[in-house]
Amino acid sequence: KNQVEQSPQSLIILEGKNCTLQCNYTVSPFSNLRWYKQDTGRGPVSLTIMTFSENTKSNGRYTATLDADTKQSSLHITASQLSDSASYICVVIYNTNAGKSTFGDGTTLTVKP
Amino acid sequence: NAGVMQNPRHLVRRRGQEARLRCSPMKGHSHVYWYRQLPEEGLKFMVYLQKENIIDESGMPKERFSAEFPKEGPSILRIQQVVRGDSAAYFCASSPPDRSNEKLFFGSGTQLSVL
Repeated sequence: KNQVEQSPQSLIILEGKNCTLQCNYTVSPFSNLRWYKQDTGRGPVSLTIMTFSENTKSNGRYTATLDADTKQSSLHITASQLSDSASYICVVIYNTNAGKSTFGDGTTLTVKP
Repeated sequence: NAGVMQNPRHLVRRRGQEARLRCSPMKGHSHVYWYRQLPEEGLKFMVYLQKENIIDESGMPKERFSAEFPKEGPSILRIQQVVRGDSAAYFCASSPPDRSNEKLFFGSGTQLSVL
């Protein structure tokens, strides 16, 4: 069964601190992996995409990693800001042509001043 | 280039009524996906459509729910005889004709409340 597990379920950190969110998947065959940010009451917005051959990709203060062997990905947020408070969703695409993807349940991040 | 537009933003229905949710994909996009998000839960896939075709409806309940994406006009998610358990946020996403599903552009969702 294709599954995407994210941890922790929720996280509270102080402004300025770093944090790392985890994503483990059993999806096969793997096409690529995306991290989305979903603000409360809004639709998700893509942060990064990782293909099979990529290990690390950065987008500003966000850095995603991918280990295709262990089927793990992480999203590291540096120098957190209050606006980083959101749900972060890991999505694994396993059949591009058929539109097949599996969503994780997300990690809810709260950044406090 | 406007993003994915969903309307209404909020919809209130009484039990037994019908709910119609609309989604206009981004310009040039021919793939539409519908997701449901229950409170405090993640997004759950419902249906994937291309123009005039349902590609995958494996996530959609067999009864009361239907979706269409006509040649002209927005995609419609229709829920007949709504029940309280249908209360949720319904998100639509679209992607371009090439490399479908690699990047989804989401709308802001329709919050359905069933009284």
